[in-house]
Amino acid sequence: DVKVTQSSRYLVKRTGEKVFLECVQDMDHENMFWYRQDPGLGLRLIYFSYDVKMKEKGDIPEGYSVSREKKERFSLILESASTNQTSMYLCASKELGVRGVYEQYFGPGTRLTVT
Amino acid sequence: AQTVTQSQPEMSVQEAETVTLSCTYDTSESNYYLFWYKQPPSRQMILVIRQEAYKQQNATENRFSVNFQKAAKSFSLKISDSQLGDTAMYFCAFMKHDSGGGADGLTFGKGTHLIIQP
Repeated sequence: DVKVTQSSRYLVKRTGEKVFLECVQDMDHENMFWYRQDPGLGLRLIYFSYDVKMKEKGDIPEGYSVSREKKERFSLILESASTNQTSMYLCASKELGVRGVYEQYFGPGTRLTVT
Repeated sequence: AQTVTQSQPEMSVQEAETVTLSCTYDTSESNYYLFWYKQPPSRQMILVIRQEAYKQQNATENRFSVNFQKAAKSFSLKISDSQLGDTAMYFCAFMKHDSGGGADGLTFGKGTHLIIQP
């Protein structure tokens, strides 16, 4: 079974802190993603990565950065956390596919509260 | 850019009934994929069913089936013989086809909260 793990289920941080959300997958997937989920808004793509040290902005990258130093690990960084970044953060990974489609496997999510 | 619209924020049905969740989307892409994901209270996102746009046949997975109307850009999910364990948020999602096999994120609808009553 594919396993995507996230470092914390719940996290409370103060405004202005630097926050790291870690995601690890064990299936040697090339592609990894970070989404945030807010009630009434669904999931929105923050950043994604298609290879080590490669990254692309998603739909809402402002206020976030990412790091992918190893294939299995994809980190989301909030340089200076703000209260409007209080949200649920979901990581996902996907196998690179040139034929057909490969599903995205999701982690359990991190509920981040910024006070 | 593509958009996905789920017009039913919440639905409630009795156990064993059949329920249909609506999803429409807008895109200029000709080749893409559509998904329904389920998110129970545990928060774990689970893939329910997928549909390749080039396939005319509607996808089915046990009690779950879709009605894919490409011209109308509609992708509804039907759950037959609903069970208490089907209670969850359901998200419709779109992904465009990348012939290079590269990464592409999902575009999600806002979700439908489905409640199965005993």
